[in-house]
Amino acid sequence: AQTVTQSQPEMSVQEAETVTLSCTYDTSESDYYLFWYKQPPSRQMILVIRQEAYKQQNATENRFSVNFQKAAKSFSLKISDSQLGDAAMYFCCVGSGTYKYIFGTGTRLKVLA
Amino acid sequence: EAQVTQNPRYLITVTGKKLTVTCSQNMNHEYMSWYRQDPGLGLRQIYYSMNVEVTDKGDVPEGYKVSRKEKRNFPLILESPSPNQTSLYFCASSSLGVAYNEQFFGPGTRLTVL
Repeated sequence: AQTVTQSQPEMSVQEAETVTLSCTYDTSESDYYLFWYKQPPSRQMILVIRQEAYKQQNATENRFSVNFQKAAKSFSLKISDSQLGDAAMYFCCVGSGTYKYIFGTGTRLKVLA
Repeated sequence: EAQVTQNPRYLITVTGKKLTVTCSQNMNHEYMSWYRQDPGLGLRQIYYSMNVEVTDKGDVPEGYKVSRKEKRNFPLILESPSPNQTSLYFCASSSLGVAYNEQFFGPGTRLTVL
């Protein structure tokens, strides 16, 4: 069975600082994809970043980057130059097999002005 | 505008009264999926569909039914709702290819079963 673990229920960061959200996963599949989704107070789910497991290079999207450690099954999200609009729930997600997706329990990020 | 729509957005009902939550997408996506979101549990996949007339169970299918008769629609049916199905429900869609593409989510349906 696949599992996704987000061990930090809540985190805080000062505006303009950097924060890292952790995610570990377990899957028996050899081919899988990893995602970070953001859920602001509006409840809308928004894709932040996507990583193919077969790629060694870490994905980046502007201020968002990942640290993908395949052997350790770790997929952390780094947010640089944090902004007030980054405050949200962040969900780590693994997609594999016949298009089944497993989400973590989420990390609530607070950004302090 | 490319979007996934869900109706209703809010619903309060009573135990045992059949209900349907509709989901529609206008992006010609093959893949559609239903999730429920509960505090402390994240999102859990209920059912998914890779094409018309092709559906499969996710992790928490008990108490739910789905159908995919048209590519754009993927309704979620609760034939006899119970209080433990009180939750926030999301529909999502994506294109299918050699890679797992981004899922586009609907705005969510807040369901309360009394």
